[in-house]
Amino acid sequence: EAGVAQSPRYKIIEKRQSVAFWCNPISGHATLYWYQQILGQGPKLLIQFQNNGVVDDSQLPKDRFSAERLKGVDSTLKIQPAKLEDSAVYLCASRTGTSGTFTDTQYFGPGTRLTVL
Amino acid sequence: GEDVEQSLFLSVREGDSSVINCTYTDSSSTYLYWYKQEPGAGLQLLTYIFSNMDMKQDQRLTVLLNKKDKHLSLRIADTQTGDSAIYFCALSGASKIIFGSGTRLSIRP
Repeated sequence: EAGVAQSPRYKIIEKRQSVAFWCNPISGHATLYWYQQILGQGPKLLIQFQNNGVVDDSQLPKDRFSAERLKGVDSTLKIQPAKLEDSAVYLCASRTGTSGTFTDTQYFGPGTRLTVL
Repeated sequence: GEDVEQSLFLSVREGDSSVINCTYTDSSSTYLYWYKQEPGAGLQLLTYIFSNMDMKQDQRLTVLLNKKDKHLSLRIADTQTGDSAIYFCALSGASKIIFGSGTRLSIRP
């Protein structure tokens, strides 16, 4: 079974530029998450999709971040414009379940490391 | 908001037991988790415990939950070099999950 795919793996941009990340979850997984992991910290949940609908985006900085999951499969996360504090690893995860618990396994992708100069 | 605290580092000798601790502030969480993150990889769910349980054992892993003190621990028996990683505790409730900052476990020969 293929895992969660993310691209690019690394990205370096200057502040005020735009950037987009792509995630392809495991086939058949209804729920998809984007996390931001700043160096030395745990992942912070940014947004949760169930199929192609947003379940929770309360921690997404909507003035600069946007995400979509067209057709309920792939997802993109965009930052426009980027700030220095956006430097982090952006993790995508998916799981089969749709409940509010996380007891069924979330499968994480390898992440995209973003550096904003 | 919810606060989840972990010590940053733990060093143990190969073959000894490792105990990784976590404290939290919000007692309304329904599930508590331990994740493992190896270098350059995403997180892997190791185990979880429901909030009405005190202990859960899964092979070399033992999770202890003290709800009164809001303290969660993960014990790894017979620690091996492959256990070197960052370990995160996490709590969930109402469709949200919050992670601690992680404990880096290093194994010495």
